[in-house]
Amino acid sequence: QKEVEQNSGPLSVPEGAIASLNCTYSDRGSQSFFWYRQYSGKSPELIMSIYSNGDKEDGRFTAQLNKASQYVSLLIRDSQPSDSATYLCAVRYQKVTFGTGTKLQVIP
Amino acid sequence: SAVISQKPSRDICQRGTSLTIQCQVDSQVTMMFWYRQQPGQSLTLIATANQGSEATYESGFVIDKFPISRPNLTFSTLTVSNMSPEDSSIYLCSVEEARLAGGQETQYFGPGTRLLVL
Repeated sequence: QKEVEQNSGPLSVPEGAIASLNCTYSDRGSQSFFWYRQYSGKSPELIMSIYSNGDKEDGRFTAQLNKASQYVSLLIRDSQPSDSATYLCAVRYQKVTFGTGTKLQVIP
Repeated sequence: SAVISQKPSRDICQRGTSLTIQCQVDSQVTMMFWYRQQPGQSLTLIATANQGSEATYESGFVIDKFPISRPNLTFSTLTVSNMSPEDSSIYLCSVEEARLAGGQETQYFGPGTRLLVL
């Protein structure tokens, strides 16, 4: 069983729409949760971190965490073509484990 | 966050040779890691680079194939030894730091080294 699971996509959304990216994890003791964005040919870039249940907003990005259901999501409002990238979910239990990533395509 | 640089940014190597990748951080960090990302795949942790002691390797990775040095808190090297085409990958250096005093540790990545083995 994978420790951190993401739908590989691609997830296609029209420009201006809300993109919703989901991630589930297996270790109930996980304490820290991260979303990284990775453009093709580039290294991962941290965009959001969340540590407690609920929502955390940063500009157009909102991270949502539900520890009881063991899922974390990332919402991107007013999606732009420049948001087209692979989004990696990462979860820290004893160490950080990365999901396989969801490829997002924002269609102009 | 810390600024991380890696050298070389890319290389093309012949089978059987070795390549050493350098990672330099602009501030002292306790934790440094080396990851591999094969084409179309996610990140796989190779090892944790420990300052002043042997690196801690993940399952499937051995010191003879991936020797790591960590002479101080700002620098580390990863060597890919006796390379084969299967070693073609992106190799990423990562550091962990707390953004604020008492904050949660977060990992940041260097720009990566793109390796092609022929």
